[in-house]
Amino acid sequence: DAGVIQSPRHEVTEMGQEVTLRCKPISGHNSLFWYRQTMMRGLELLIYFNNNVPIDDSGMPEDRFSAKMPNASFSTLKIQPSEPRDSAVYFCASSLGIGTNEKLFFGSGTQLSVL
Amino acid sequence: GENVEQHPSTLSVQEGDSAVIKCTYSDSASNYFPWYKQELGKRPQLIIDIRSNVGEKKDQRIAVTLNKTAKHFSLHITETQPEDSAVYFCAANNAGNMLTFGGGTRLMVKP
Repeated sequence: DAGVIQSPRHEVTEMGQEVTLRCKPISGHNSLFWYRQTMMRGLELLIYFNNNVPIDDSGMPEDRFSAKMPNASFSTLKIQPSEPRDSAVYFCASSLGIGTNEKLFFGSGTQLSVL
Repeated sequence: GENVEQHPSTLSVQEGDSAVIKCTYSDSASNYFPWYKQELGKRPQLIIDIRSNVGEKKDQRIAVTLNKTAKHFSLHITETQPEDSAVYFCAANNAGNMLTFGGGTRLMVKP
């Protein structure tokens, strides 16, 4: 398996533009997570899905952020409109399920820069 | 919710020395404690984890200890090597089995 696949690896955009980040979880994994990593705040959980259903989006910072998982092999995180303070590395991760036996596997991340 | 504190934020050791990173957590119901290593520009990767039914686990040069009474757990790296240089994150699960991460420790191993 190729692991969790994220695209793009790097995204540079201007303030106010829409940004869409993409993720393909490991085949067979039922849970998918979106994290944001910054120097100031570390690794923050934004939202997670179980069996394609959003379970907890309390980490989503604002209404400008939205996430979807239309099927078991694809998820998107959208920021609209983007702001400079959204600049961060966004990681997608997946696991077999939700529980103490479920190891988390991260994608390579998307480095987002909003100018 | 769960709160995980990690110390120190940076740690510099000489090659061959040991390194210890400590974490505390707040939720007494937490029962799963993984450690992730993140090299510069790379993804976090699981290096070792421990569950609440054991107090210690070893894997070659790394070991984790858990004290449930005190609600703290530690990562021990012995005989450090330059390739151990990275940011290390501890984590603990919460009531919903979601992971809360510590703030990270930047380990620098000087040759």
